[in-house]
Amino acid sequence: TQLLEQSPQFLSIQEGENLTVYCNSSSVFSSLQWYRQEPGEGPVLLVTVVTGGEVKKLKRLTFQFGDARKDSSLHITAAQPGDTGLYLCAGATGNQFYFGTGTSLTVIP
Amino acid sequence: NAGVTQTPKFQVLKTGQSMTLQCAQDMNHEYMSWYRQDPGMGLRLIHYSVGAGITDQGEVPNGYNVSRSTTEDFPLRLLSAAPSQTSVYFCASKRTPRAGNSPLHFGNGTRLTVT
Repeated sequence: TQLLEQSPQFLSIQEGENLTVYCNSSSVFSSLQWYRQEPGEGPVLLVTVVTGGEVKKLKRLTFQFGDARKDSSLHITAAQPGDTGLYLCAGATGNQFYFGTGTSLTVIP
Repeated sequence: NAGVTQTPKFQVLKTGQSMTLQCAQDMNHEYMSWYRQDPGMGLRLIHYSVGAGITDQGEVPNGYNVSRSTTEDFPLRLLSAAPSQTSVYFCASKRTPRAGNSPLHFGNGTRLTVT
């Protein structure tokens, strides 16, 4: 059972465009994290959100945690080729960390 | 500071063979875990440990065994490999098991093919 569903699964956009990735679940999480993964490497943490409704910004990336702590979104403004990668959300419940299905982003120069 | 080290990077097994994937961390992290990554499935938790001597099952534990005799090491054993276990395996560690803001630190993965 996949607790976290991400959409879209694949996204290919031109440099300079904006995009939003969604991470949805029917479960409540105590915190939610977003990771980015490059080919041949393990995921690397981008941000953690803990409070329902919380918004965090990391340069051109904006992360939001849903009010009910069941979902999250990642918005990228003016995407650049360096943003290309696999984006994964991860929810914490108890001692287990569940990952989403992933969104593969390609930004074309 | 090496972080999380996984060996080997690549492995090919025949059906029925056994092997151990090694994972070591030098950050004195309490929490360690194993994930498998398959296309379209994201990362799925196999087993995890909240400290030396303590292990528990994740989402997809069947066919895998783990042990945690030291804080540093968390090996994953495949007792009788099956083609369905073809995947990329990641080991990850965390300072404490509790949620909060601390990140999971990942190794660079082991790509396993079972023929």
